[in-house]
Amino acid sequence: EAGVTQFPSHSVIEKGQTVTLRCDPISGHDNLYWYRRVMGKEIKFLLHFVKESKQDESGMPNNRFLAERTGGTYSTLKVQPAELEDSGVYFCASSQDLGYSYEKLFFGSGTQLSVL
Amino acid sequence: RKEVEQDPGPFNVPEGATVAFNCTYSNSASQSFFWYRQDCRKEPKLLMSVYSSGNEDGRFTAQLNRASQYISLLIRDSKLSDSATYLCVVRRRNFNKFYFGSGTKLNVKP
Repeated sequence: EAGVTQFPSHSVIEKGQTVTLRCDPISGHDNLYWYRRVMGKEIKFLLHFVKESKQDESGMPNNRFLAERTGGTYSTLKVQPAELEDSGVYFCASSQDLGYSYEKLFFGSGTQLSVL
Repeated sequence: RKEVEQDPGPFNVPEGATVAFNCTYSNSASQSFFWYRQDCRKEPKLLMSVYSSGNEDGRFTAQLNRASQYISLLIRDSKLSDSATYLCVVRRRNFNKFYFGSGTKLNVKP
């Protein structure tokens, strides 16, 4: 079974440019999360989709970040325009059934974003 | 105050040693608890869930103390391959958000 896949694995862009990250969750997983880890800090929640709907986007830092999940399958996270402080590792995770309190998250390998 | 706090370490231990990490959480409504392991430049992977009665998986033992709001992870007979960052993760009741600690780094040396 394929795991959570993310693309690209690395992205180096200049301040002011646009970058789009993609995540393909495990097939059949309705729940999809975006997280970010800035160097030296903890992994922080950005947002949560249930199927195609945004369940919680309280962690999105500002309106330069836009997440979508077309048809409840893959998701994209666009940063426009990128700023220096957006650099970090962006992880996507998925899970199947959050009705079970010990349902676990499966993570993708992350996208390392460097804004210069 | 952070939702989940961990000692960042690093913990430098010799092979065969026993090492323990603690993690505290701030919200008493927290419901589910986990230890994830993250290798350098890799994604976090579930090591074990932490149940109320405590649980063991081979060399790893996890404990939960709800009264004091902390979770522990004990690793016995450390192996070189145990070197990684260990993340404490907490999920709140009725919330579908998982909160991460900043991780504790473990270095097991020959």
